[in-house]
Amino acid sequence: TQLLEQSPQFLSIQEGENLTVYCNSSSVFSSLQWYRQEPGEGPVLLVTVVTGGEVKKLKRLTFQFGDARKDSSLHITAAQPGDTGLYLCAGAAGAGSYQLTFGKGTKLSVIP
Amino acid sequence: GAVVSQHPSWVICKSGTSVKIECRSLDFQATTMFWYRQFPKQSLMLMATSNEGSKATYEQGVEKDKFLINHASLTLSTLTVTSAHPEDSSFYICSPRGRPTDTQYFGPGTRLTVL
Repeated sequence: TQLLEQSPQFLSIQEGENLTVYCNSSSVFSSLQWYRQEPGEGPVLLVTVVTGGEVKKLKRLTFQFGDARKDSSLHITAAQPGDTGLYLCAGAAGAGSYQLTFGKGTKLSVIP
Repeated sequence: GAVVSQHPSWVICKSGTSVKIECRSLDFQATTMFWYRQFPKQSLMLMATSNEGSKATYEQGVEKDKFLINHASLTLSTLTVTSAHPEDSSFYICSPRGRPTDTQYFGPGTRLTVL
């Protein structure tokens, strides 16, 4: 069974601060996705990383896939209250695999 | 992005009743449908996978006779929770994938509360 461990589980920071969320596994994933989920809603895809060492940027969000494709990180620069939400990482086991394994998520609160 | 709808968005029912949840993909063809459930403060757990016109494949520990999945068309899939009990209370999310972009999307979820 492939597991994805996310840390921290909870994070409360002041507006303007930077933060990093980690997603780690002992398994190799062909791709890894990051989602953001609001309470009472389904997750919304932020990014997909596929290549080991890949870095993708989405405005103030920077996503990195580990060289060995076992871990990933999400860095947010100058966090804003609108960034508040549950951030989930999810990995796909093999190329062409549609089944995703989700981490437990990091609940981020950005205080104005 | 594609639009996925779920109905109802929330439902409260008595123990022993059955509840049907609909998932519609409004502007693409869902050749594959994933059903997840999410317990409070937990992550999404895959329940079953279905391909249009075929029987669903259930994950270990998920009772196929309790969670009936129908994926008869490319735009509609249903999940029926039969004889629901309080422990079935959860947030159920459908996730279709298909044509034309082969992108996987997530529905807005259905909150089921069984009294």
